[in-house]
Amino acid sequence: AQSVTQPDIHITVSEGASLELRCNYSYGATPYLFWYVQSPGQGLQLLLKYFSGDTLVQGIKGFEAEFKRSQSSFNLRKPSVHWSDAAEYFCAVGPTGGGNKLTFGTGTQLKVEL
Amino acid sequence: NAGVTQTPKFQVLKTGQSMTLQCAQDMNHEYMSWYRQDPGMGLRLIHYSVGAGITDQGEVPNGYNVSRSTTEDFPLRLLSAAPSQTSVYFCASSYDGANVLTFGAGSRLTVL
Repeated sequence: AQSVTQPDIHITVSEGASLELRCNYSYGATPYLFWYVQSPGQGLQLLLKYFSGDTLVQGIKGFEAEFKRSQSSFNLRKPSVHWSDAAEYFCAVGPTGGGNKLTFGTGTQLKVEL
Repeated sequence: NAGVTQTPKFQVLKTGQSMTLQCAQDMNHEYMSWYRQDPGMGLRLIHYSVGAGITDQGEVPNGYNVSRSTTEDFPLRLLSAAPSQTSVYFCASSYDGANVLTFGAGSRLTVL
């Protein structure tokens, strides 16, 4: 069965500092990998996705993530955090062509200090 | 485009009552799904559909029914609500099986 681990429940960073959110997955084949962001009281918005090819993927809002097969990881990064990035971030894994059957991690709550 | 629309946004039920959470999308997406979000547990898949007339169970289907009579609509039914079903429910859709989901704004359900 597929699973996703986000080891950090809460992270606090200062505005302008760099950010890395960790994600480890368990899946028997090459998965589809995603990062979603959820602002308070809102639905989830896709930040970026990895299907195949270049292991460094760029997303919206200046985020990027790197797929490392040997470490079963898909960590999210941003060079300089803005106060508006405060939100909850979810990593998710899905089977190739699996049709909406995503497995989500438990989320990382990001707080940005001004 | 409205995207994915969920109604109601908030609902309070008593144990044993029934209700339907509505989900509609206007993007002609074939794939639709329901997730529930609970604190510290992320989102868990309840039911999903790969097209009109086709539904299947996800990770936590017990206590919920779905049907998909049209491409646009995917209602989630609670036949006899229980306090354990207190949660925030999200409907999502995608154009194909590539799992790029568009989410609704969510429906917060409280069962007393």
